[in-house]
Amino acid sequence: GIQVEQSPPDLILQEGANSTLRCNFSDSVNNLQWFHQNPWGQLINLFYIPSGTKQNGRLSATTVATERYSLLYISSSQTTDSGVYFCAVKTSYDKVIFGPGTSLSVIP
Amino acid sequence: DAGVTQSPTHLIKTRGQQVTLRCSPKSGHDTVSWYQQALGQGPQFIFQYYEEEERQRGNFPDRFSGHQFPNYSSELNVNALLLGDSALYLCASSPDRTWGINSPLHFGNGTRLTVT
Repeated sequence: GIQVEQSPPDLILQEGANSTLRCNFSDSVNNLQWFHQNPWGQLINLFYIPSGTKQNGRLSATTVATERYSLLYISSSQTTDSGVYFCAVKTSYDKVIFGPGTSLSVIP
Repeated sequence: DAGVTQSPTHLIKTRGQQVTLRCSPKSGHDTVSWYQQALGQGPQFIFQYYEEEERQRGNFPDRFSGHQFPNYSSELNVNALLLGDSALYLCASSPDRTWGINSPLHFGNGTRLTVT
């Protein structure tokens, strides 16, 4: 089946720093979504981005489907950005596969 | 507009028991999927329900079963609980079964199940 990798697995940032999170997938996907899971376990939808680039405030994402990767950019990080970031992909067989996540800690 | 709601929020069960978790989808959504998230891991797809039928299933044993009602709400049932079933169980809804162009998944806050 399809494999989803995320890097880095862990990241510690000083408040105000920028970061790039990467999601690689091993096969063609129909759709891709980025989530932020806060310390209470809630999964927040950040971007629905099967291809192209989107921006929402300090966050932006780019997916290059032909090269099978997606990037999540966080600029001017804040302590509230801490948590785990997941990418999830949907294959042509309608199954949603999550990556292992990137754990982000933003320190004051 | 209520989002995806799940109940209960926390649950403690003993090995061998059975548990039922509940989910109400976001208004306007008719497709519900369930995920198991073990500590430190990403969510794993259990199954998806659409039009009251199981449409897709992940690699979970038959102890995991579900149901969808005419109002689109859903239940996840787990029989013969094992210690390894301890996890956060997440429900997600979308307005169409294929998670189409305009329909990202929306997740509830989850039910944290502890099996002792």
